[in-house]
Amino acid sequence: AQSVTQLDSHVSVSEGTPVLLRCNYSSSYSPSLFWYVQHPNKGLQLLLKYTSAATLVKGINGFEAEFKKSETSFHLTKPSAHMSDAAEYFCVVTNNNAGNMLTFGGGTRLMVKP
Amino acid sequence: ETGVTQTPRHLVMGMTNKKSLKCEQHLGHNAMYWYKQSAKKPLELMFVYNFKEQTENNSVPSRFSPECPNSSHLFLHLHTLQPEDSALYLCASSQDWAGSWEQYFGPGTRLTVT
Repeated sequence: AQSVTQLDSHVSVSEGTPVLLRCNYSSSYSPSLFWYVQHPNKGLQLLLKYTSAATLVKGINGFEAEFKKSETSFHLTKPSAHMSDAAEYFCVVTNNNAGNMLTFGGGTRLMVKP
Repeated sequence: ETGVTQTPRHLVMGMTNKKSLKCEQHLGHNAMYWYKQSAKKPLELMFVYNFKEQTENNSVPSRFSPECPNSSHLFLHLHTLQPEDSALYLCASSQDWAGSWEQYFGPGTRLTVT
């Protein structure tokens, strides 16, 4: 079994300040983890993925995430927020030992203030 | 055209209508998926096809009927829907069903059942 918990349903930051979106997971097997972003009225876009290689993963648009097995966390960060980062972000886990069944977190809505 | 496309983008239908959603992927992938995204609920996987064969049916009511004529096209046939079926329906594809391949999503069809 696997599950994902996104600890904040809403996060608000000022433009130019750091972004932290928190994600905790549970998985019976070695997991792969993803972050997706969804802008209003759009589909989901892959930001980055972790698949048991380097624990610090760099993605698009300056985002990165660190896999911490001891803490079962995969938090998403960005040093400086842009207005265009305002969107909903989903943390996702899949089980490397089974089919490609993605389990989605509930999402975090990021708001960026000017 | 590249990526994953979905038509129509918006659909309003009555409970007695029959309609179909179409998804096409131009990525050469072998697996395709239907998801339902409702307000305030995590994404729900509905169906999975791998090499045109259905591998998962996630306890979806029979009023939703998928069809996958080839690896590039996926349909979702709708009939006698309920108002609670109103949601954003997302199609996705991945290289394969096995392992941890990332999924690429289309823009979705916003369905409203009246």
